[in-house]
Amino acid sequence: KAGVTQTPRYLIKTRGQQVTLSCSPISGHRSVSWYQQTPGQGLQFLFEYFSETQRNKGNFPGRFSGRQFSNSRSEMNVSTLELGDSALYLCASSLTGEAFFGQGTRLTVV
Amino acid sequence: GENVEQHPSTLSVQEGDSAVIKCTYSDSASNYFPWYKQELGKRPQLIIDIRSNVGEKKDQRIAVTLNKTAKHFSLHITETQPEDSAVYFCAASKGAQKLVFGQGTRLTINP
Repeated sequence: KAGVTQTPRYLIKTRGQQVTLSCSPISGHRSVSWYQQTPGQGLQFLFEYFSETQRNKGNFPGRFSGRQFSNSRSEMNVSTLELGDSALYLCASSLTGEAFFGQGTRLTVV
Repeated sequence: GENVEQHPSTLSVQEGDSAVIKCTYSDSASNYFPWYKQELGKRPQLIIDIRSNVGEKKDQRIAVTLNKTAKHFSLHITETQPEDSAVYFCAASKGAQKLVFGQGTRLTINP
């Protein structure tokens, strides 16, 4: 069974640009959550989608948004990038409880 | 909202000794407590979890204990090996969809 797949693995963007990250969950998993990991703030919850609906949201500005498609794949978008958005972005999929993480997308904003 | 405190931030033990990492949480409604291991450059991997209706769970050399009254839970690793070196994160949630993580513990196993 394939694990959680995130693309791309690495991204370099310029301040002010926008970026879209993709996450394909484990087959059959309908819940997809997104997390931001930084050395200073640790792992912080961004949002969670279930059956194409945002079910939970963390404390991030509106520049961070996401969506989920009918096949459970999810995307997150960050607009007007800031230097502080540089981080590892992880998605996790869940079926009945346990959350399994993808390898992450490392975003560097310059 | 939920807040999770994790201690210690770094832990160094001799190979073969035991390691204990502790976490406290603030929201008494939290009912799911997983532990993740993250090696350098890799994804967090779920190593063990416990739900609020259970006080202790064990999987080979790894065990987790939960004290709901005191709102704390702990990870115990026995007979540590070099491959146990990693950063360990605890988390708490109501269900697994919105995990609130501790700040992590960097565990180093000295040969």
